[in-house]
Amino acid sequence: ETGVTQTPRHLVMGMTNKKSLKCEQHLGHNAMYWYKQSAKKPLELMFVYNFKEQTENNSVPSRFSPECPNSSHLFLHLHTLQPEDSALYLCASSQDGTGNTIYFGEGSWLTVV
Amino acid sequence: AQSVTQLGSHVSVSEGALVLLRCNYSSSVPPYLFWYVQYPNQGLQLLLKYTSAATLVKGINGFEAEFKKSETSFHLTKPSAHMSDAAEYFCAVSDRSGSARQLTFGSGTQLTVLP
Repeated sequence: ETGVTQTPRHLVMGMTNKKSLKCEQHLGHNAMYWYKQSAKKPLELMFVYNFKEQTENNSVPSRFSPECPNSSHLFLHLHTLQPEDSALYLCASSQDGTGNTIYFGEGSWLTVV
Repeated sequence: AQSVTQLGSHVSVSEGALVLLRCNYSSSVPPYLFWYVQYPNQGLQLLLKYTSAATLVKGINGFEAEFKKSETSFHLTKPSAHMSDAAEYFCAVSDRSGSARQLTFGSGTQLTVLP
């Protein structure tokens, strides 16, 4: 139990589908993150939310749409994805956005067909 | 700007042998440094972190790392490898500017433990 829970753990979707990844943290943190982990590439920071406000969008295509309704929940809405978007998507949280230790969920494996 | 270089994308050791995973960093300000481990089909788990206290940091599962400012290094070691240590290890650096975006990960080192 990491304190950060991601669902679903595995998702297969077609390029015309719309799906969402969900993340919930039980640590009382105020900052939440989405990272993308592709084979043979360093982790890529996608989005940062601090106290429910988006503070970072790291040039992510608009087919990825984050939503943070409260400090405990973070969603990543997916639509019209491409096969190259297939990757492990990791959610993480930290006490706040000031460089504190980041705690990761177990990830959602996404395959786009 | 900051960066992390992990030397060796794959390291193999025999069970019981010393584990040494190398990490060098670049940072314009005093850094925070982290090691994370990722077991197959799982997310990243924090092993240990350096935040300007003792330069020798002890983590979970018998791992430790030493911050050497003169060498800009933060190598991860374990005296005796176990089969269960087989995983991918990531070094990361964060500056202290207060921005959440300033956590940079290395490319990872896959550790294989041979029986």
